[in-house]
Amino acid sequence: GAGVSQSPSNKVTEKGKDVELRCDPISGHTALYWYRQSLGQGLEFLIYFQGNSAPDKSGLPSDRFSAERTGGSVSTLTIQRTQQEDSAVYLCASSSRWGGLAEQYFGPGTRLTVT
Amino acid sequence: DAKTTQPPSMDCAEGRAANLPCNHSTISGNEYVYWYRQIHSQGPQYIIHGLKNNETNEMASLIITEDRKSSTLILPHATLRDTAVYYCIVRVVNSGNTPLVFGKGTRLSVIA
Repeated sequence: GAGVSQSPSNKVTEKGKDVELRCDPISGHTALYWYRQSLGQGLEFLIYFQGNSAPDKSGLPSDRFSAERTGGSVSTLTIQRTQQEDSAVYLCASSSRWGGLAEQYFGPGTRLTVT
Repeated sequence: DAKTTQPPSMDCAEGRAANLPCNHSTISGNEYVYWYRQIHSQGPQYIIHGLKNNETNEMASLIITEDRKSSTLILPHATLRDTAVYYCIVRVVNSGNTPLVFGKGTRLSVIA
């Protein structure tokens, strides 16, 4: 079946512009996660959704970052007034609702470059 | 979640077994050991997880010491496509759908 998909795959934007990144989780997965990975760095958790609600927003680096999820499916991560330090690969993952052992399935990521 | 320690890099000859160690000396009784890997330019991929018994699946084997303070991921016959960063993650059971906490991992290079 289809895996997690993300769009766009690459995004180049000018400093100060807003960007929207999209994630389509695996059908039926109720949990959705956003991570980011800066060049040469490990993965950093940003936010996750259980259904349409976000129990944990602690990883969002600033108030320029926001995310929403509608219909328990597609999620959008929005970065306002982008800065060069926002350049990274943004990864989305989803997992099923059944218990703590559920593994996370990752999408291919969106590579964001802020010039 | 308990902290893990992994060597930053390892080499392995193609066709040989790759043994990737992970220390998690502060692990508690309700924490599982998970392994993910990330091939260059791709998202992380789940490999295997375990609590205290050794586990095997089509990708790898996981050996957990009796005191659970360390574990080893074994790729029995490494191929060039196994070159990746391997992450050992310790996670509370019934943590539901809480996020994974990734360390720096081990960069495995499989050499022809």
